[in-house]
Amino acid sequence: DAGVIQSPRHEVTEMGQEVTLRCKPISGHNSLFWYRQTMMRGLELLIYFNNNVPIDDSGMPEDRFSAKMPNASFSTLKIQPSEPRDSAVYFCASRPGGTSTEAFFGQGTRLTVV
Amino acid sequence: AQSVTQLDSQVPVFEEAPVELRCNYSSSVSVYLFWYVQYPNQGLQLLLKYLSGSTLVKGINGFEAEFNKSQTSFHLRKPSVHISDTAEYFCAVRNNQAGTALIFGKGTTLSVSS
Repeated sequence: DAGVIQSPRHEVTEMGQEVTLRCKPISGHNSLFWYRQTMMRGLELLIYFNNNVPIDDSGMPEDRFSAKMPNASFSTLKIQPSEPRDSAVYFCASRPGGTSTEAFFGQGTRLTVV
Repeated sequence: AQSVTQLDSQVPVFEEAPVELRCNYSSSVSVYLFWYVQYPNQGLQLLLKYLSGSTLVKGINGFEAEFNKSQTSFHLRKPSVHISDTAEYFCAVRNNQAGTALIFGKGTTLSVSS
């Protein structure tokens, strides 16, 4: 399996623009997670889905952030409008269902908002 | 809710020296515990995990960790480090219910020099 695939790997955008980050989880995995990594705050959980349904979005920082999972093989994280403080590395992870415990991470998207 | 505290943000050591990276957690329910490693510009990779049973857990690359319920700790150890162990290490916790998310500590940067 190719693992969790995130795109793009790097994104540079101007403040105020819309940004969409994409994630393809490992086939057959039932849970999907979006994390944000910054120097100041470390790895923060933004939102996670089970069977395509959002379970906990309490980590989404503001209404400017939204996430969708239209099907089991695709998820997006959108920021509109983007701000410089959104600059971070965004990770997507997926996990099999049932009693599985390990989450598998993608390579991340490094977002820079200028 | 769960939380994780990694007591050291940076740990510098010399090659072939032993190392311990400290992790304490807080939870009102039974938990699973994890250590992940992140090499520069990479995603996170699982080192080891504690689910139940023996409190001493062995992982990849010669690392091991010991779960101590009374001290709510899960410290990571390696008897002899290599230059290639230089990376950021994250301790994580989640409750043992199905479909819940990992909560990460802020990470410890291990720097191994010759």
